[in-house]
Amino acid sequence: GAGVSQSPSNKVTEKGKDVELRCDPISGHTALYWYRQSLGQGLEFLIYFQGNSAPDKSGLPSDRFSAERTGGSVSTLTIQRTQQEDSAVYLCASSLGQWDEKLFFGSGTQLSVL
Amino acid sequence: GDSVTQMEGPVTLSEEACLTINCTYTATGYPSLFWYVQYPGEGLQLLLKATKADDKGSNKGFEATYRKETTSFHLEKGSVQVSDSAVYFCALRGSGDKLTFGTGTRLAVRP
Repeated sequence: GAGVSQSPSNKVTEKGKDVELRCDPISGHTALYWYRQSLGQGLEFLIYFQGNSAPDKSGLPSDRFSAERTGGSVSTLTIQRTQQEDSAVYLCASSLGQWDEKLFFGSGTQLSVL
Repeated sequence: GDSVTQMEGPVTLSEEACLTINCTYTATGYPSLFWYVQYPGEGLQLLLKATKADDKGSNKGFEATYRKETTSFHLEKGSVQVSDSAVYFCALRGSGDKLTFGTGTRLAVRP
């Protein structure tokens, strides 16, 4: 597609359930980033992929969070046993390469944990 | 670690007013600096950038100058329009590959 696509756009789940968030980056972009945007907070870095490997996963808040990327393209962010504090907008971005400083962002997934 | 501090919003201005959104940073080495903008209902997009000291980034009438001596990258526009209403994020890329963002400043421009 023309831009970074994220699905679902909205997700409401019950506390304790697992959720999967999907990101389709721009075709040909080798770098992919996950950020989290909470109400009143800035963008919190979660994890960065270069190809299928994750050189920097320092921002994942706990072991309930994991992410993978396959085929150098689609990425999935999984949150296990969701908690209310996980409620946020999860943003995905991609760029041409490791040193390309222009990130293209998706519109995000609004996650609400009840 | 790297950090970005920007002024809290919201900032409310009348059309054609001057805009300044302050941004200061902490980083080791020589980071690249950015302003991203998020228009209502849209994803973040790069507005402008500067990669070394004294560089000026500019786009759509917005400007920001990389000031190493004051570790600042303030966003300015001489005459804002209603269409500039958005959330503005200051960001830096330091020694790693990720961008570190500020908390964002919401700008509302009234006709």
